[in-house]
Amino acid sequence: SQKIEQNSEALNIQEGKTATLTCNYTNYSPAYLQWYRQDPGRGPVFLLLIRENEKEKRKERLKVTFDTTLKQSLFHITASQPADSATYLCGTGRRALTFGSGTRLQVQP
Amino acid sequence: GAVVSQHPSRVICKSGTSVKIECRSLDFQATTMFWYRQFPKQSLMLMATSNEGSKATYEQGVEKDKFLINHASLTLSTLTVTSAHPEDSSFYICSASGGAGNSNQPQHFGDGTRLSIL
Repeated sequence: SQKIEQNSEALNIQEGKTATLTCNYTNYSPAYLQWYRQDPGRGPVFLLLIRENEKEKRKERLKVTFDTTLKQSLFHITASQPADSATYLCGTGRRALTFGSGTRLQVQP
Repeated sequence: GAVVSQHPSRVICKSGTSVKIECRSLDFQATTMFWYRQFPKQSLMLMATSNEGSKATYEQGVEKDKFLINHASLTLSTLTVTSAHPEDSSFYICSASGGAGNSNQPQHFGDGTRLSIL
């Protein structure tokens, strides 16, 4: 089965900088990867979906890349703000989603 | 946008109690809903797939007699934790998509239910 790996260590950055989070998958190349934001005590909120044949996807300050050679997706938040502080989950699956453990992002003012 | 409502948000009860959690899709129909469980600082783990009008599909290691799932309509799935014990304490989250539950559709999650068994 697919295994999703995210850096479990928290990422601390200064406001205004670009945050980059990593998602690696171990088995088959998924047709899609999805990124979610989760705040404490809340359910995940969908952010972006990127398809296997897409190299890059953007939405406002967010950018996702998909590298099938490296078996990796990168999630970028440009001009980060304290309000971006949350846990970010990467997930994939043919039907239900398999998620990584998430990376907690802390943006310092 | 698509909204999934989950109720209750928090339950505290004694060991041996059965607890029912509801998951509703408010503005779309969901033939498939998913139930996840999340322990602190860990990922969401899929427990089961809830199929409207048919039996749920459980993941390996999840007791179907312990976690009863009913998906009686296109907008409602329920998870009942039967005879709950302290080890069942966790954060339970449901999700649904507007499609047939394929991974090419975003999942819309409820806000979760924090279950605490004393």
